[in-house]
Amino acid sequence: DAGVTQSPTHLIKTRGQQVTLRCSPKSGHDTVSWYQQALGQGPQFIFQYYEEEERQRGNFPDRFSGHQFPNYSSELNVNALLLGDSALYLCASSPPRTGGVTGELFFGEGSRLTVL
Amino acid sequence: KQEVTQIPAALSVPEGENLVLNCSFTDSAIYNLQWFRQDPGKGLTSLLLIQSSQREQTSGRLNASLDKSSGRSTLYIAASQPGDSATYLCAVPETSGSRLTFGEGTQLTVNP
Repeated sequence: DAGVTQSPTHLIKTRGQQVTLRCSPKSGHDTVSWYQQALGQGPQFIFQYYEEEERQRGNFPDRFSGHQFPNYSSELNVNALLLGDSALYLCASSPPRTGGVTGELFFGEGSRLTVL
Repeated sequence: KQEVTQIPAALSVPEGENLVLNCSFTDSAIYNLQWFRQDPGKGLTSLLLIQSSQREQTSGRLNASLDKSSGRSTLYIAASQPGDSATYLCAVPETSGSRLTFGEGTQLTVNP
């Protein structure tokens, strides 16, 4: 049973460029969330996708956008990259909600983005 | 707004010690609390999930407790090993299925 997979694992971009990160959720999971983790800090919530729609969004500018596909996989897009966007980007998936109870979140290995 | 704090920020212990990591949260209206482990440059590995109706969860040498009324959780690691060296993070969702709010983690080093 494959867990959450993310690609690419590492990438280097220059300021002003655009980047797309990809995530495949754990089998049986339908909800995908994205987090940004700066060095030495806890992850910060970017947004969550469920049924192909953005359901919740954290305090991130519109340069950060996403998409969820019918097979539940997801993309995170960041436009007009800034030096401060350098971070580990983590994708998490969770199973269908049962009776409103939150399922356990499972994370991928992350995509390390460096902006020069 | 939920805030999560983890104390201590870093901890160094000799192998074999039992240790306790602390997590506190400001809003006690949580659905659950999750503890994660993170190795350097890697993703998060889920260790334990405690539902709001539970007081504790155990997995091997790990035991996590939850006291919603006081806004606290502890992660107890028994008989620590060098392989336990990592950063430990706690996180709570604001509502069912919603975003997780993380603490900044406790960096644990277990010396042989």
